[in-house]
Amino acid sequence: DSGVTQTPKHLITATGQRVTLRCSPRSGDLSVYWYQQSLDQGLQFLIQYYNGEERAKGNILERFSAQQFPDLHSELNLSSLELGDSALYFCASSVVGGINYGYTFGSGTRLTVV
Amino acid sequence: DQQVKQNSPSLSVQEGRISILNCDYTNSMFDYFLWYKKYPAEGPTFLISISSIKDKNEDGRFTVFLNKSAKHLSLHIVPSQPGDSAVYFCAASGNAGNMLTFGGGTRLMVKP
Repeated sequence: DSGVTQTPKHLITATGQRVTLRCSPRSGDLSVYWYQQSLDQGLQFLIQYYNGEERAKGNILERFSAQQFPDLHSELNLSSLELGDSALYFCASSVVGGINYGYTFGSGTRLTVV
Repeated sequence: DQQVKQNSPSLSVQEGRISILNCDYTNSMFDYFLWYKKYPAEGPTFLISISSIKDKNEDGRFTVFLNKSAKHLSLHIVPSQPGDSAVYFCAASGNAGNMLTFGGGTRLMVKP
């Protein structure tokens, strides 16, 4: 158990629908990052939150949004889903300035859009 | 624009031999580099890192080498063990705590 909890582990939904992925960071970590891993691809950075505020944005589609709540858990909302959104979505957390250990990743949510 | 590349999608090595995984980057602002290991159905786990002020960092069987002039880093695993079979990602950052840019991964298979 890495200490980063992602729910649900698996999600199957239809095109056009909306889903919410949830992430609870490791205790004490203020930063949350969301990454997408499509089939046989590397991890693509989507967005970062630090202590409730958006810190950095990557290749996140306009149909996707995220937020970090006061208790530091984060949610990634994916709407108007397309077949190409099928992927593994990882959440990671870190202590800002955690040079030596980078991120701690959750085990991911596998999203399948049918 | 792929700023971090792992040009070998897979690598097969005999148990006990050395595994060498390579990674190239293009962004000269990167100053911190990490390797992650990923097993199926799990998230990536941190393996080893190196700051740009160093050219080598060692941790047990794992050594990372950084060649800044060539914008190249490599991970050496000696001796390789079957349990090392996984996908390895290299990642780079412009500063500590900032977002990481990942390569596409290399699948390592260590044969008994």
